[in-house]
Amino acid sequence: QVQLQESGPGLVKPSETLSLTCTVSGGSISSFYWSWVRQPPGKGLEWIGYIYYSGTTNYNPSLKSRVTISVDTSKNQFSLNVTSVTAADTAVYYCARNQEVGPTHYSDSWGQGTLVTVSS
Amino acid sequence: SYELTQPPSVSVSPGQTASITCSGDKLGDKYACWYQQKPGQSPVLVIYQDYKRPSGIPERFSGSNSGNTATLTISGTQAMDEADYYCQAWDSSIVIFGGGTKLTVL
Repeated sequence: QVQLQESGPGLVKPSETLSLTCTVSGGSISSFYWSWVRQPPGKGLEWIGYIYYSGTTNYNPSLKSRVTISVDTSKNQFSLNVTSVTAADTAVYYCARNQEVGPTHYSDSWGQGTLVTVSS
Repeated sequence: SYELTQPPSVSVSPGQTASITCSGDKLGDKYACWYQQKPGQSPVLVIYQDYKRPSGIPERFSGSNSGNTATLTISGTQAMDEADYYCQAWDSSIVIFGGGTKLTVL
């Protein structure tokens, strides 16, 4: 049973860079897509982007200019960077494993989520 | 950009059938999936590829997708099913979430 665990600072100052890491255990990061999803307090889910283990990425167009997702297969980890953060980036951030089946993706395993607050 | 629309809330009595809809342009031509999220918890996949159930998901959860609407149906709804439900589809290599529906069991 694969497990995912997010880690990183819980508080980030406005205009700085939010950085999170997701560690995958109980399975290999290879041969899967891996996503970041966020949820502002009291609001719905927002997809941020995904990465294939080989490094291919795709991002939400609304965030693309500020987001980078990378993977480190040697550590079984993938990471998220969001630059120039504002209070609107305050959210619980989830990492998830994606299954690709034909022309679709769905997330079958999720981390517990980590709250990141943007405040000075 | 592609959008998925869900009703903000649905209410159901215990033991009855709850139906939650998700609407999008020609959604039936894509695959839909559904997540359940209880307060303070991570989302859980309950339906994928329109109607398939992951292992461990009760049989009372079912799904369908045709035309412009995907539907999550919960038969014999239980108090433990009270949660937020999100539909999701994939369009032009982008993951799209619906806005979510709060299911109240009363």
